[in-house]
Amino acid sequence: QKEVEQDPGPLSVPEGAIVSLNCTYSNSAFQYFMWYRQYSRKGPELLMYTYSSGNKEDGRFTAQVDKSSKYISLFIRDSQPSDSATYLCAPGGATNKLIFGTGTLLAVQP
Amino acid sequence: DAGVTQSPTHLIKTRGQQVTLRCSPISGHKSVSWYQQVLGQGPQFIFQYYEKEERGRGNFPDRFSARQFPNYSSELNVNALLLGDSALYLCASSDSWGTGNTIYFGEGSWLTVV
Repeated sequence: QKEVEQDPGPLSVPEGAIVSLNCTYSNSAFQYFMWYRQYSRKGPELLMYTYSSGNKEDGRFTAQVDKSSKYISLFIRDSQPSDSATYLCAPGGATNKLIFGTGTLLAVQP
Repeated sequence: DAGVTQSPTHLIKTRGQQVTLRCSPISGHKSVSWYQQVLGQGPQFIFQYYEKEERGRGNFPDRFSARQFPNYSSELNVNALLLGDSALYLCASSDSWGTGNTIYFGEGSWLTVV
């Protein structure tokens, strides 16, 4: 079993839709959870960072963590064509080492 | 402020050759990590350095090595290149060590092995 499982997509939505991106993880030692956005042929860009169960909101983005079920989500409201990218979930533990999911490719159609 | 900078951005090598990739962390950051990202996959952890000491190593063969310099920049070396080493190599930096540090990535070095 992989430590981090992520729906690979691709996911195609119309502009303005609410997008839900999801990951599950198996390692209870993970303590913090990051979401990265990666445009084609670019490095990952830090989007959201959460440290505990619950919700964290930043503009159109909301990160949700449920440690009891080992489930993490990223919601994008009012999605825009510029949101088209690969989204990577990345839990981390007691060190700076991140374990990445395979990424979900999102396409927002104008 | 400059972000994480990596060089070269693209390179092509022949099987059996050696390659050195370079990384400069964000100013003030003392921790550098290296990741390999194969097309269609998420980044996979290779090495981690903090204050010039190796703090972690992923499941990669001994052909992969790295070091961190007194100015906190880092090099990743790969010997005896294989076709399967073709990937995007990412450097990441953070300001300290331990739980909860924000980790920033560079744009990566695209390595093609022919």
